[in-house]
Amino acid sequence: DQQVKQNSPSLSVQEGRISILNCDYTNSMFDYFLWYKKYPAEGPTFLISISSIKDKNEDGRFTVFLNKSAKHLSLHIVPSQPGDSAVYFCAASAGSNYQLIWGAGTKLIIKP
Amino acid sequence: SAVISQKPSRDICQRGTSLTIQCQVDSQVTMMFWYRQQPGQSLTLIATANQGSEATYESGFVIDKFPISRPNLTFSTLTVSNMSPEDSSIYLCSVESSLGETQYFGPGTRLLVL
Repeated sequence: DQQVKQNSPSLSVQEGRISILNCDYTNSMFDYFLWYKKYPAEGPTFLISISSIKDKNEDGRFTVFLNKSAKHLSLHIVPSQPGDSAVYFCAASAGSNYQLIWGAGTKLIIKP
Repeated sequence: SAVISQKPSRDICQRGTSLTIQCQVDSQVTMMFWYRQQPGQSLTLIATANQGSEATYESGFVIDKFPISRPNLTFSTLTVSNMSPEDSSIYLCSVESSLGETQYFGPGTRLLVL
């Protein structure tokens, strides 16, 4: 059973518009969430994280929203740029164990 | 999708010793990858392991320090040799999807070297 789900394998967005990537989780013990970006042939790059004591964290064009009651988080990228085309992974962990549970990724394509 | 397990999930080791991390996948895959995530940093690719051939190491990583085995299409091991506190990190294995469009990650092995 997947504890972290990214239900959209791919997403296509016009340059300049907002990209919204979604992630759902089932384990209520998760209290730390991370987003990674991955280009082909490279390792994933950390983007932004959020702990369960917050419902929003912002870093430049990237904002992560956490809805604990719905067990849902989303990553907003605005405005979207061509360099944002990549695969985005959501990951979660529970407590100090820090064992990460990964989503399957969403491929974001930014159209010019 | 692929389900990946790693053993151990965490360990505390003394400097100078070695630890072997196991990675098991529930399906046959050609390429497996080993990553390291040091505290506060992004994932860094250590090496790519193909079944039946020697692993390919990234710059800064050598076989003597991180020997890798890939005996079959569902299993791989990474050994962290002669450990020092600088090796304290999370080590992850991953595999590519069959279409090569995404990667699946194991849960990671958290290593602390004293």
